[in-house]
Amino acid sequence: QSVLTQPPSASVTPGQRVTISCSGSSSNIGRNSVYWYQQLPGAAPKLLIYKNDQRPSGVPDRFSGSKSGTSASLAISGLRSEDEAHYYCAAWDDSLSGWVFGGGTQLTVV
Amino acid sequence: EVQLVESGGGLVQPGGSLRLSCAASGFTFSRFWMMWVRQAPGKGLEWVANINEDGSVKHHLDFVKGRFTISRDNAKKSLFLLMNSLRVEDTAVYYCVRELSGGPDYWGQGILVTVSS
Repeated sequence: QSVLTQPPSASVTPGQRVTISCSGSSSNIGRNSVYWYQQLPGAAPKLLIYKNDQRPSGVPDRFSGSKSGTSASLAISGLRSEDEAHYYCAAWDDSLSGWVFGGGTQLTVV
Repeated sequence: EVQLVESGGGLVQPGGSLRLSCAASGFTFSRFWMMWVRQAPGKGLEWVANINEDGSVKHHLDFVKGRFTISRDNAKKSLFLLMNSLRVEDTAVYYCVRELSGGPDYWGQGILVTVSS
């Protein structure tokens, strides 16, 4: 069982918008920044969002992140078939002295 | 271009040992925290250990404490993970990951470790 909680799956139609949630606690999301990753089938994870809402260069502005209290969200607009992937959130946990990840959300674009 | 290339994985029997290596290039290795993250077959991501720039600060996942040790050689631009007393549950793809802007940013392609008799 993961320390950060994400919905296991989401299904949306092309062009729509989806929001993926990530719920934690005061020792992780409540005190530290949240990071989001996209993992395409058979590939290594790729950084999408850092420090809650910052996009690395090269990541389209269709991807956005936010954080409030002990929860965070990743929003993806204008969904395309190539967005089909697993999405993971992560944060440093002060109590565990380690990084914790969400269980991942499998996004299907149908 | 940033590159992280893992090596040293393979099949090992329960109770055995392996040493993973990660060769870094395309950035100033000695200026970054580094970490290992693993992913069991069909499962999610799990942080294993991280290490600061000069190797003086290390953190390990409780489940691997006393069995795994992270280390680095800045002169050789390399990160290591020594894994002893391996268990079936340690079977996973192990990723070498750089930390930037306070968190994991660039990931290697991963190396498979299979623990089985």
